[in-house]
Amino acid sequence: AQTVTQSQPEMSVQEAETVTLSCTYDTSESDYYLFWYKQPPSRQMILVIRQEAYKQQNATENRFSVNFQKAAKSFSLKISDSQLGDAAMYFCAYKGSNYKLTFGKGTLLTVNP
Amino acid sequence: DVKVTQSSRYLVKRTGEKVFLECVQDMDHENMFWYRQDPGLGLRLIYFSYDVKMKEKGDIPEGYSVSREKKERFSLILESASTNQTSMYLCASSLQGRPDEKLFFGSGTQLSVL
Repeated sequence: AQTVTQSQPEMSVQEAETVTLSCTYDTSESDYYLFWYKQPPSRQMILVIRQEAYKQQNATENRFSVNFQKAAKSFSLKISDSQLGDAAMYFCAYKGSNYKLTFGKGTLLTVNP
Repeated sequence: DVKVTQSSRYLVKRTGEKVFLECVQDMDHENMFWYRQDPGLGLRLIYFSYDVKMKEKGDIPEGYSVSREKKERFSLILESASTNQTSMYLCASSLQGRPDEKLFFGSGTQLSVL
């Protein structure tokens, strides 16, 4: 079974600075998708960014980018120019051939003004 | 934009009660999901449905059942609530179940079983 590991239960960053959240996963599949979801205090999860495993180019969405290292099975999220609204729980997730989404345990990000 | 609505934001029930958690989506999505979220454990899939009257067990189905009589509505049922089912329950939907599709989530129901 696939597993997703987020080794940082909590992280903090100063406003306008850059922070990187780490995620590793375990799989024997070669084709899969990886996602980062954000859960703000409102509790509604929203998609931040996604990456297809067969695409070597790292995905970017405005201030959010990923560092995808397929051989190392690593999928970190970089948030540049952090804003107060970025404060949330961030979940890394994996989707393989069975199309079920497997989540990590989450990283709570605090943004300090 | 897609809206996934969960009927209750907070719910308090007693041990042994039958509990219904309701979820409705308004965008004709084929797939619907129920997750349970616990601190330090992340989200775990309870059940999902890829069509009306169809259901599949997720990773932790014990103690739960589901119903999908209409495409837009997916209900999670706790037949006899127990204290270890105190948790945040999240409903989600996706259009067709393609691998690259994102999930649309509701705002969650925080269930306390006393």
